[in-house]
Amino acid sequence: DTGVSQDPRHKITKRGQNVTFRCDPISEHNRLYWYRQTLGQGPEFLTYFQNEAQLEKSRLLSDRFSAERPKGSFSTLEIQRTEQGDSAMYLCASSTDRDAAYEQYFGPGTRLTVT
Amino acid sequence: AQKVTQAQTEISVVEKEDVTLDCVYETRDTTYYLFWYKQPPSGELVFLIRRNSFDEQNEISGRYSWNFQKSTSSFNFTITASQVVDSAVYFCALSEPYNAGNMLTFGGGTRLMVKP
Repeated sequence: DTGVSQDPRHKITKRGQNVTFRCDPISEHNRLYWYRQTLGQGPEFLTYFQNEAQLEKSRLLSDRFSAERPKGSFSTLEIQRTEQGDSAMYLCASSTDRDAAYEQYFGPGTRLTVT
Repeated sequence: AQKVTQAQTEISVVEKEDVTLDCVYETRDTTYYLFWYKQPPSGELVFLIRRNSFDEQNEISGRYSWNFQKSTSSFNFTITASQVVDSAVYFCALSEPYNAGNMLTFGGGTRLMVKP
C-alpha cells in the first residue's frame, strides 16, 4: 500500500484565483477527511466523507470551499476566489470504519500560498 | 465540545536527556480515543499511538512511553534518551466515535528540539 497521496505538494496562486487539490486515500479506506493547518497551529477539521457522501462540514468551510469524492475514491478540495487568509497546509487523511479505533493516516499535504 | 491543550509550545533538550510532553484534554463523552502524532520538518503527520478511554494501561514502545490518566484528563508522552532525530512537532489529538466520523481535534503542538 502506497499510503495517502496528495497533489500538488505546493501551490502558489494570486488572490482571486481558483485552486483545486486532489487526495488519493489508502485503497479500501472508506472514510476521508480534510484538515487545514496554519503556521504554528495544529490541524483543524474541515470536512469528512464516508464513501461518496459528505457527512460533515466545519464552520471553517466557507461558501468558497467545496469538496467532492466521486465514486468514493479520490477527493478534490476546491477554493474559489482565494484570499490571503487561505494560505495554509491542506491535509488529507483516510481511515476505515472496519477498525474500531478509526485510526487516521495522513498524506504529505498541499501547501497553498496566496499572494 | 472537545478540546486538547498542549501547554508547552517549545522544548529544547540535549541529546540523551529524557523529555515529557504534556497533553490535557476535555470531552463530555465516556468513549473517546487519544492519539499522538509526530510532524517532522518534511510536514507529514506520522501516527505514533492510539489509546481508548477504557484502557488506562500505560504503554512503552522502545524509547517512547505514554501515561494516560483519566482522573486528570491527561495523556503525556515521554521520550527516553532523546536523539536528534526526535526533533519535530508533536501533536496530541482526541476523537469521539459519534462526532463527524471520529474527526480529530488537535492540540496546538509542542516543538521539540534535541541538540547534539
